[in-house]
Amino acid sequence: AQSVTQLDSQVPVFEEAPVELRCNYSSSVSVYLFWYVQYPNQGLQLLLKYLSGSTLVKGINGFEAEFNKSQTSFHLRKPSVHISDTAEYFCAVSEGRSSASKIIFGSGTRLSIRP
Amino acid sequence: EAGVTQSPTHLIKTRGQQVTLRCSPISGHTSVYWYQQALGLGLQFLLWYDEGEERNRGNFPPRFSGRQFPNYSSELNVNALELEDSALYLCASYRETGHLRWVNTEAFFGQGTRLTVV
Repeated sequence: AQSVTQLDSQVPVFEEAPVELRCNYSSSVSVYLFWYVQYPNQGLQLLLKYLSGSTLVKGINGFEAEFNKSQTSFHLRKPSVHISDTAEYFCAVSEGRSSASKIIFGSGTRLSIRP
Repeated sequence: EAGVTQSPTHLIKTRGQQVTLRCSPISGHTSVYWYQQALGLGLQFLLWYDEGEERNRGNFPPRFSGRQFPNYSSELNVNALELEDSALYLCASYRETGHLRWVNTEAFFGQGTRLTVV
């Protein structure tokens, strides 16, 4: 069965510093990977996704993630964060429609930006 | 294009009562997912509906149920409410892109319904 692990529940970072939010997954088949962001009192918004092709995926708001199959990881990075990036970030995995699967989310990482 | 809409936005119920939450997907989306986001527990998968049928179900008791209507909107019903059912309930609609039906794509989320059970 597929699962997603976000090792860091909270990540405090100073403004303009780089950040990496870690995500590891487990699955017995090929997967599709996603990062979502949830701003306070809002629903989830897609940041980026990996379906196939290049392992480096660029998303909105300057975020990018790299799919590493050997390490079963999909870490999210941003070279310089802003106060507006304060939010909760969720990594998600899907094994695809053919297996009647569902999208499984990690427990989330709360990113707090300090001025 | 209107996004995923959920109603109501907030709800307060008493333990033991029943509640119905509603979700309207983006036009053209046939799949609807329901998630529970309880404090400190992340997103827990509840139910997945596609083309009017329940496709998959998370690890929740039978008092959590739902359905999907011919217009692809969906309801989530929770019977015999318990205090720990207090959470944000998120609905997401889902669209396939590409010429291959099996290609997944992202889910689009509504703002959620915040349920408080007292």
